[in-house]
Amino acid sequence: QSVLTQPPSVSGAPGQRVTISCTGSSSNIGAGYDVHWYQQLPGTAPKLLIYDNNIRPSGVPDRFSASKSGSSASLAITGLQAEDEADYYCQSYDTSLSGSWVFGGGTKLTVL
Amino acid sequence: QVQLVQSGAEVKKPGASVKVSCKASAYTFTTYGINWVRQAPGQGLEWMGWISTFNGNTKYAQKFQGRVTMTTDTSTSTAHVDLRSLTSDDTAVYFCARGSNWYSDPRAYMDVWGKGTTVTVSS
Repeated sequence: QSVLTQPPSVSGAPGQRVTISCTGSSSNIGAGYDVHWYQQLPGTAPKLLIYDNNIRPSGVPDRFSASKSGSSASLAITGLQAEDEADYYCQSYDTSLSGSWVFGGGTKLTVL
Repeated sequence: QVQLVQSGAEVKKPGASVKVSCKASAYTFTTYGINWVRQAPGQGLEWMGWISTFNGNTKYAQKFQGRVTMTTDTSTSTAHVDLRSLTSDDTAVYFCARGSNWYSDPRAYMDVWGKGTTVTVSS
């Protein structure tokens, strides 16, 4: 199991707002390490969605936002659209096991 | 545009080794590290390791220590990952992903990804 915990699935109707949580510990997010988010559409490679906790790369719609507090982070998607249906992963750095980059287990977003 | 082009699919027998390549283009290869991330069928992303394209320093996930080797060829802007003693559990899509710095930076993220290479391990 991943050191970063995400809900396996979330869902929402078009136009609604959903959030995806990413819970870590004192050896990763709680230690102050940045959180990054990736979107993986079906059958494709992951794409950087948010970096450094809350910064959107060029081209990512402002419907996507993220925040970090304590040992947790969250991704929010407003104005849900059908094309948002994908898997979402958080990523950070963990100091246990000699230090490594780690991913959350992923969350499947279903647009109803 | 900046891209990472990976080598083609591989089918290997248990106990064999596999080498996957990742060729970078449209940026200065030695200013960003390369991560290797794999995804087993129906599973999440798993970070395998990182290599500095500037000085060849590596950092491997403990799970793969002793079984993986990451290298780069700066003359061709290509990174390679070599995984040995394959088992069926190594069946996965292997991605290379550009790291945001050439040095081992805990704050690093992965901003450009290859399309992935499918490795199938089967007798």
